[in-house]
Amino acid sequence: AQSVTQLGSHVSVSEGALVLLRCNYSSSVPPYLFWYVQYPNQGLQLLLKYTTGATLVKGINGFEAEFKKSETSFHLTKPSAHMSDAAEYFCAVSEWGNNNDMRFGAGTRLTVKP
Amino acid sequence: NAGVTQTPKFQVLKTGQSMTLQCAQDMNHEYMSWYRQDPGMGLRLIHYSVGAGITDQGEVPNGYNVSRSTTEDFPLRLLSAAPSQTSVYFCASRGRGQPQHFGDGTRLSIL
Repeated sequence: AQSVTQLGSHVSVSEGALVLLRCNYSSSVPPYLFWYVQYPNQGLQLLLKYTTGATLVKGINGFEAEFKKSETSFHLTKPSAHMSDAAEYFCAVSEWGNNNDMRFGAGTRLTVKP
Repeated sequence: NAGVTQTPKFQVLKTGQSMTLQCAQDMNHEYMSWYRQDPGMGLRLIHYSVGAGITDQGEVPNGYNVSRSTTEDFPLRLLSAAPSQTSVYFCASRGRGQPQHFGDGTRLSIL
């Protein structure tokens, strides 16, 4: 079955600094990959997704992620952090063709310092 | 559109009690899933359904039952609640080849 590992349960950056959240996946078939964001006491909101085609994917709020098959990675980046980016971020993988559903990483809590 | 609606938002149970968490979606999605979220463990899949009348187990199915009699509804049943089932539960739905849409969650405490 597919699985996801998120490196770093907590990441702290200064406002205006680069945000880098790491995600590695395991999948027996070509994966579909996702990043979700969760603000306190809310559900998960989709940031971006990779299915096929271009490996650099742009999402909402200035975030982007690059699918690297050779490294089995799908790291999330944003050039300049904003205070409103403070939240928990989840990477997820899905193998559509196997009727399996989406599997999530443990999450990374992003703190943005003024 | 309401999207994915979960009820109740909060619930406190005693050990051994039973209850049903409700989930409804109005997007005509084929796929529906239940997850539980625990600190440091992300979201873990409990059960999922690929269409009305079809359900399957996820990573952590023990202690939970589901059914899918209609496309819209996917209730999750706890037959005999245990403290280990204290968690935040999320229902999600999606169309074929599409990402998940999540409800706002049900916060469940088992005493």
